[in-house]
Amino acid sequence: GAVVSQHPSRVICKSGTSVKIECRSLDFQATTMFWYRQFPKQSLMLMATSNEGSKATYEQGVEKDKFLINHASLTLSTLTVTSAHPEDSSFYICSVGTTMFYNEQFFGPGTRLTVL
Amino acid sequence: RKEVEQDPGPFNVPEGATVAFNCTYSNSASQSFFWYRQDCRKEPKLLMSVYSSGNEDGRFTAQLNRASQYISLLIRDSKLSDSATYLCVVNVLPGGFKTIFGAGTRLFVKA
Repeated sequence: GAVVSQHPSRVICKSGTSVKIECRSLDFQATTMFWYRQFPKQSLMLMATSNEGSKATYEQGVEKDKFLINHASLTLSTLTVTSAHPEDSSFYICSVGTTMFYNEQFFGPGTRLTVL
Repeated sequence: RKEVEQDPGPFNVPEGATVAFNCTYSNSASQSFFWYRQDCRKEPKLLMSVYSSGNEDGRFTAQLNRASQYISLLIRDSKLSDSATYLCVVNVLPGGFKTIFGAGTRLFVKA
């Protein structure tokens, strides 16, 4: 399957700062990547679908101006949490879908964000 | 009603036990189905895809019943290393690809 990396794996920041998370598809050209958020003891919630060369598609309730997504190449998508607040503290995971129909997804190792 | 519902768990079983997880989905347009495993504070990893004919991979057997909109996962001869959260995942294709995760069922296998 596809190998996906994320950086950083863990970040602690002060309230009001912006944090950028990178998601890289190491062995697969990904036209589409997905960004998820997972709060403790809850399931993954899709935040947005990142499309290479075009604007991301955000799920209902996710503020596009707060969670900026850039997918400038087939191997890199970035998520920037702007003006982070403690309630943004979560586990952020990206994924790559590898087939058109069955759409198995391969996930990055995740980024744990803690906003103080 | 949630789009994908799983047994709330947790399941506590002894080594060697057989354990079954159940999952139901509400969207009849769902196209593909998976079981993922997620260890604590880690990303989900694909355990197996679920096909209409049912499929088996070693100690793991997955079943799909489209008429009932029901998916199951059976683990035989449980190992300590099977302890994890098992996520039922459904892809809905018409209208745009969308992946929906169940809340997961936590499994504890004890010696």
